[in-house]
Amino acid sequence: KAGVTQTPRYLIKTRGQQVTLSCSPISGHRSVSWYQQTPGQGLQFLFEYFSETQRNKGNFPGRFSGRQFSNSRSEMNVSTLELGDSALYLCASSGGIHTGELFFGEGSRLTVL
Amino acid sequence: AQSVAQPEDQVNVAEGNPLTVKCTYSVSGNPYLFWYVQYPNRGLQFLLKYITGDNLVKGSYGFEAEFNKSQTSFHLKKPSALVSDSALYFCAVRVNTNAGKSTFGDGTTLTVKP
Repeated sequence: KAGVTQTPRYLIKTRGQQVTLSCSPISGHRSVSWYQQTPGQGLQFLFEYFSETQRNKGNFPGRFSGRQFSNSRSEMNVSTLELGDSALYLCASSGGIHTGELFFGEGSRLTVL
Repeated sequence: AQSVAQPEDQVNVAEGNPLTVKCTYSVSGNPYLFWYVQYPNRGLQFLLKYITGDNLVKGSYGFEAEFNKSQTSFHLKKPSALVSDSALYFCAVRVNTNAGKSTFGDGTTLTVKP
């Protein structure tokens, strides 16, 4: 069974640009969550999508947005990039027969120059 | 609000010795508790969880954890550590098994020396 797939794995952007990250969840999982991981702030919850609806949102500015498609695939977008947005962005899916645990992708490492 | 504390940034143990990685939590309502492990440049991997029932839960790779409601703790343990257990460990809590965010601790780096 395929795991959670995130693309791209690595990317470099400059300040002011925007970026879109993609996540394909495990087949049958309808919930997709996004987390930002940085050395200073640890793992911070961005948002959760379920059946194409944003169900929960963390404390991030409006520059961070996401969406979920009918096949449960999800994208997150960060506009007007800042240096502080450099981080590992992790996508996790949950659902099906699994009760509560998250299944993470390998992450997308974003570097903002 | 929910929160998780991992009081030790680093735990060092010798191979073959028992290990404990500590976690305490704060949550309104019944907690659902999880441990995850992260290897360098990888995503997190689920180790074990407590949802309900027996306070001692067993998970992957010989790890186990004990839920203690009175002390609001969920410490991760293993009777005999391996060098390959060296990694970053995260404790997490959520209040709903199928919705909402998981709140993670800051992580504990476990180093097992030969």
